[in-house]
Amino acid sequence: AQSVTQLDSQVPVFEEAPVELRCNYSSSVSVYLFWYVQYPNQGLQLLLKYLSGSTLVKGINGFEAEFNKSQTSFHLRKPSVHISDTAEYFCAVTKSGGSYIPTFGRGTSLIVHP
Amino acid sequence: EPEVTQTPSHQVTQMGQEVILRCVPISNHLYFYWYRQILGQKVEFLVSFYNNEISEKSEIFDDQFSVERPDGSNFTLKIRSTKLEDSAMYFCASIWGGARKTDTQYFGPGTRLTVL
Repeated sequence: AQSVTQLDSQVPVFEEAPVELRCNYSSSVSVYLFWYVQYPNQGLQLLLKYLSGSTLVKGINGFEAEFNKSQTSFHLRKPSVHISDTAEYFCAVTKSGGSYIPTFGRGTSLIVHP
Repeated sequence: EPEVTQTPSHQVTQMGQEVILRCVPISNHLYFYWYRQILGQKVEFLVSFYNNEISEKSEIFDDQFSVERPDGSNFTLKIRSTKLEDSAMYFCASIWGGARKTDTQYFGPGTRLTVL
């Protein structure tokens, strides 16, 4: 079975500062990795995903994430955040050869202050 | 952009009552899912549905839960006799399924169920 750990439940940051949201996973098999964002009163929206190939993945809204197999991490980064990035961010993992049922982390609340 | 919709946005019910949560997946999608998120906890998979039958379900999805696609557009989750611990946000999701292992799941905004 897979598991996902999001180390920070809340990350406060000032506008235009860089941010990194941490995600570590554990799995005995190859995985696909995802980051979702949930804005207030909305559903989960896919930010980016790693399936194979380049370990640096670029997503929407200026976010990127890097897959590090040796450290079993998939941290999400943005060089300069906006107030509108305030949201809940979820890391998720699926087995690469299995059905499409993601295992989610608990989520990290990104709070961007002016 | 097409989206998954869910109704109601918030449902309050008494313990022991039946509730039906409704979802309208994206129209050409073939695989449908229900997840729940208890406040402060992880998003958890409940059930997946394809070709009018359950394809996978988790341990959470016991006999008090059922799913149905009654009319080709709606996808419903029924909880027969609600318990306090069923209070959670319930998310519906769908994927097209043509490239199933790598398809993007589209999530609805969720229904917040409160059991009193």
